[in-house]
Amino acid sequence: GENVEQHPSTLSVQEGDSAVIKCTYSDSASNYFPWYKQELGKRPQLIIDIRSNVGEKKDQRIAVTLNKTAKHFSLHITETQPEDSAVYFCAASKKSSGDKLTFGTGTRLAVRP
Amino acid sequence: DAGVIQSPRHEVTEMGQEVTLRCKPISGHDYLFWYRQTMMRGLELLIYFNNNVPIDDSGMPEDRFSAKMPNASFSTLKIQPSEPRDSAVYFCASRLAGRAGELFFGEGSRLTVL
Repeated sequence: GENVEQHPSTLSVQEGDSAVIKCTYSDSASNYFPWYKQELGKRPQLIIDIRSNVGEKKDQRIAVTLNKTAKHFSLHITETQPEDSAVYFCAASKKSSGDKLTFGTGTRLAVRP
Repeated sequence: DAGVIQSPRHEVTEMGQEVTLRCKPISGHDYLFWYRQTMMRGLELLIYFNNNVPIDDSGMPEDRFSAKMPNASFSTLKIQPSEPRDSAVYFCASRLAGRAGELFFGEGSRLTVL
């Protein structure tokens, strides 16, 4: 089955700096890659996603990039703010699997004021 | 819509007791998922349903775990007998068909087995 690895497991940045989280996946048939944000004590929530026919997608301070050849994708957060502090999960999915998501192990991001 | 509703939010029980977690998905959603979250293992998929039918239960840890979805608006995850290693946050999530990544999670049920 699909295996998603995520790095780093923890990340601390100064407010205003950028943060980058990287994920790799094993199944070349995967074609959909969402990112979820989970604030402390809250539920995971979808923040952005990217499909295999797109190399990059932006939404304000958040961007995701996808390299299908290398089977890796990344989340970039620019101008970080304290409210960006959370655990971020990447995930991968392919339609043939019945569309179930395989999650990475998560990255705990701390933004220092 | 109120979103995915889970109960109880917190459960503390003693080893050997039966635990039942409940979930009401978003109305109209075709898929329902049960996840377990721990610090060590992150988010693990336990089982998921499509139109009330279990599709993949390969993530269910062992026979002590069972899940049902008797109708489109209700699902249960049961642990019998419970063990301390079952302590975790259990999330239920639902989504529409064809929207693979757009899971809507409930608030979670935090289970502590003493």
